[in-house]
Amino acid sequence: EFVLTQSPGTLSLSPGERATLSCRASQSIRSSYLAWYQQKPGQAPRLLIYGVSDRATGIPDRFSGSGSGTDFTLTISRLEPEDFAVYYCQQYGSSRWTFGQGTKVEIK
Amino acid sequence: QVTLKESGPVLVKPTETLTLTCTVSGFSLSNARMGVSWIRQPPGKALEWLAHVFSNDDTSYSASLESRLTISKDTSKRQVVLTMTNMDPVDTAYYYCVRGTWGAREGSYFDHWGQGTLVTVSS
Repeated sequence: EFVLTQSPGTLSLSPGERATLSCRASQSIRSSYLAWYQQKPGQAPRLLIYGVSDRATGIPDRFSGSGSGTDFTLTISRLEPEDFAVYYCQQYGSSRWTFGQGTKVEIK
Repeated sequence: QVTLKESGPVLVKPTETLTLTCTVSGFSLSNARMGVSWIRQPPGKALEWLAHVFSNDDTSYSASLESRLTISKDTSKRQVVLTMTNMDPVDTAYYYCVRGTWGAREGSYFDHWGQGTLVTVSS
C-alpha cells in the first residue's frame, strides 16, 4: 500500500514568511507523478502543482514544487493572506491515486 | 468551461446503497487523456480517492473499498455514476466528482473538481 506522509501537520507562520511543506512517500514515486492541492474552508480542493513542479493555470509563481524519489516539497516563497489553507500532496501509480493527510498553514 | 456537478441523496440509512451521479460539461468522457474519479472527505479530515473510470471504460478502485464500489460512465449523457453498497456512519463525507488528466511525464492529477455533496449516513 502506497502511503504519503506530510509534515508538519500544522505550520504557523506570518504573512510575508516562507512556507516549506514536506511530502514523503513510502516508496519511490515513478517519474514526476506528484501533485499538490490547496483547500480553503468550505471549498473543494484546487490543483496547484502537477508533475512535481509545473504550476497549474492561474497559480502565482510564489508557489513552487520540487523533489524526486520519495521526498517532495511545496514552497510558498512569501505567504499572502489568501494562502492560509490546507495543502495536500497526491501521487499516481498503478492506476491508483493516493493523498497525504494534509498540512494546515495557519496565521501565527 | 469545464464543470462537474454531483447529485444524489443527502441522507442514507446504514446498510443502504448510495448512488451518486456526476454530470460533466466542457470536455468529453471519451477523451483519451481524461477520466473521472470520485474522491471523498469526511468533515475535518483528509481526502480519500475512491474510484476512477477511464475514457475506454476501464475502472480502478481503492483497494480498501473495492468490494463495495462500482463506477461507470455514459458518454452520451455526459454522466459518471458511483455506487457504494452497505453504507455505514463512517462513510459520512463530502463526495467530490473530479476530472483526472493524464500525461506521460506528469502522470495523472485532478485539475477540475465539482463542488462536492455531503452525504450523511444515519438511521
